[in-house]
Amino acid sequence: DQQVKQNSPSLSVQEGRISILNCDYTNSMFDYFLWYKKYPAEGPTFLISISSIKDKNEDGRFTVFLNKSAKHLSLHIVPSQPGDSAVYFCAAKGVTSGTYKYIFGTGTRLKVLA
Amino acid sequence: NAGVMQNPRHLVRRRGQEARLRCSPMKGHSHVYWYRQLPEEGLKFMVYLQKENIIDESGMPKERFSAEFPKEGPSILRIQQVVRGDSAAYFCASGKGLNEQYFGPGTRLTVT
Repeated sequence: DQQVKQNSPSLSVQEGRISILNCDYTNSMFDYFLWYKKYPAEGPTFLISISSIKDKNEDGRFTVFLNKSAKHLSLHIVPSQPGDSAVYFCAAKGVTSGTYKYIFGTGTRLKVLA
Repeated sequence: NAGVMQNPRHLVRRRGQEARLRCSPMKGHSHVYWYRQLPEEGLKFMVYLQKENIIDESGMPKERFSAEFPKEGPSILRIQQVVRGDSAAYFCASGKGLNEQYFGPGTRLTVT
């Protein structure tokens, strides 16, 4: 049962344009969401997060939007740069099996074309 | 402030051997999480530990896998009698509380 889904395994965007990465979740009890970026042979790096009481959080070129009614969040990167090419994971925090834990999506590979 | 450290970065084991993966959390962090990433898949939660306590091990296989986070020293993920299906990247993450997780670089385990 995949509670956090990233339905697009890959995305290609031209440099300077907007990248939009999507994430859907099924558990309405999730209360905190995060996005991570991962380069090959490295660990995931925290990018940006959002609490369930908000619908938007912005940090420089990165903005995360949360639509609780649709159980959907998205990460916008604008303008996209070649260095943004990586795998992006969304994660949701909530109580499953009795304790708080993070559930990760399967990732979206972003390629920014120069 | 050093980040989360994991060693070894690469580990090769023959089938039936034991694998020990180490994770040193960031200074001041008392929460440690272990994840496994199989090829072409996302990060799967395995276990959540605080100092000397296993909080949640619902993601750990019932047999051969164990984890600890002693009062002193790193957290250890131990896999006994490894099989080829254990080949994966194992990541640990640490944090001061529940709303943060900083990941280490991972250990890539290859079982031959």
